[in-house]
Amino acid sequence: DAGVTQTPRHEVAEKGQTIILKCEPVSGHNDLFWYRQTKIQGLELLSYFRSKSLMEDGGAFKDRFKAEMLNSSFSTLKIQPTEPKDSAVYLCASSWDTSSYEQYFGPGTRLTVL
Amino acid sequence: GEKVEQHESTLSVREGDSAVINCTYTDTASSYFPWYKQEAGKSLHFVIDIRSNVDRKQSQRLIVLLDKKAKRFSLHITATQPEDSAIYFCAASKWTEGADRLTFGKGTQLIIQP
Repeated sequence: DAGVTQTPRHEVAEKGQTIILKCEPVSGHNDLFWYRQTKIQGLELLSYFRSKSLMEDGGAFKDRFKAEMLNSSFSTLKIQPTEPKDSAVYLCASSWDTSSYEQYFGPGTRLTVL
Repeated sequence: GEKVEQHESTLSVREGDSAVINCTYTDTASSYFPWYKQEAGKSLHFVIDIRSNVDRKQSQRLIVLLDKKAKRFSLHITATQPEDSAIYFCAASKWTEGADRLTFGKGTQLIIQP
């Protein structure tokens, strides 16, 4: 069974650009999470979907970050406009909602904003 | 909201010795406490978890202890091996109708010395 896949693995953007990160969760999983990982802040939750419904949109990340889940097997995270402080690794994770609480993480997208 | 603190940012132990990583949490409603491991250059993967209906759980060389009164939980790795070298993240969440959002600690870098 395929794990969580994320594309691209690396992204370089100029300040002010719009970028879209993609995630395919594990087949059959109902929950999907987007996190940002930095050395200073650690893992920060950006968005959380359950059965495609947005459960949490990450508070402070609302204004420039928008996650969508158009179907149960695909999600996107749009950052618009990008700023240098957005440079980080963006992780997508998925899990079942009642059978298992283990989150399966994708390999991440390393974003560099110049 | 919930805050999870990992007290050791780095921990170095000799191969074969035990390692203990400690975490505290603030929300008394939290009742699910997983641990994740991140090896160098890789993404996170689940290692073990504990729910608040027990105070100890063991899986091979991993033991998790939970002290609800002190709002503290810890990961014990016995007979450490070189492959245990990684960053370990603790997390906490409520236990509602299935998986809920996790709040992560900032991670502890475990170094196994030969």
